[in-house]
Amino acid sequence: GAVVSQHPSRVICKSGTSVKIECRSLDFQATTMFWYRQFPKKSLMLMATSNEGSKATYEQGVEKDKFLINHASLTLSTLTVTSAHPEDSSFYICSARVYRGSEQYFGPGTRLTVT
Amino acid sequence: SQQGEEDPQALSIQEGENATMNCSYKTSINNLQWYRQNSGRGLVHLILIRSNEREKHSGRLRVTLDTSKKSSSLLITASRAADTASYFCATERNDYKLSFGAGTTVTVRA
Repeated sequence: GAVVSQHPSRVICKSGTSVKIECRSLDFQATTMFWYRQFPKKSLMLMATSNEGSKATYEQGVEKDKFLINHASLTLSTLTVTSAHPEDSSFYICSARVYRGSEQYFGPGTRLTVT
Repeated sequence: SQQGEEDPQALSIQEGENATMNCSYKTSINNLQWYRQNSGRGLVHLILIRSNEREKHSGRLRVTLDTSKKSSSLLITASRAADTASYFCATERNDYKLSFGAGTTVTVRA
C-alpha cells in the first residue's frame, strides 16, 4: 500500500520556539494532504487541508498564523508550529491522498512536547 | 468538526470472543471507514464501506452500515491479543474530508 512518512517522530522543544514537522508521500503523488491533531485518549481533529501549490484551508478554531502549512510539492507538506507553548503539546498526524475521493493514507504521527 | 460518536468507549474481552463496537454520525456521507490505532502510533486503515453498501467483510472483520439510522458497527470475530488497540470510525463527508469518532478502546485478555 501507499506509504506516508513523518519526520521527526518525536520532538521536544522549549516554549517560544518554532517546530517544523514534515509529511512525505513516499511512493505516490499527493495533490492533497491533511493535518490532524490528537490529544491523549482522544479522537483525531482535522486542523487543515493542504493542496499542492495553493494556500491551506484551516478548520474553524485553528489559528493559521500559529500553525503554518506549506505544500510545496506533490510529495511534501510541512506543518510549522510557531512560538510553541505547552498547550501545543500533542500528537500530530498527517494524511495524503491522490485525488478528491480517493483513500487517505496516514503517516505514523509526530509527538510534540513543549516544555 | 467531529461528527462520529462511538460506543462503547472501552471494551474488555477474552481472547477468542467477538468484539462489537458502534458508530453513529449526523450528516450525509460518501463512505464510512474504520481505523485501528495502537497506543502512541499511527492509524491503520481497516475497511471502507460506501454509502450504498450495507455490509462488508474483510478477514475477521465485519462492518455494517445503516444510512437510515446513520450508524455503523464493526465486529471483530475470534479476537486475539494483537487486536488490543483503539478503533475509530471516520466518515467521509460530501466535501471529501474525514470526521473521526471518539474511538473505542479494546482490550483483549489472553
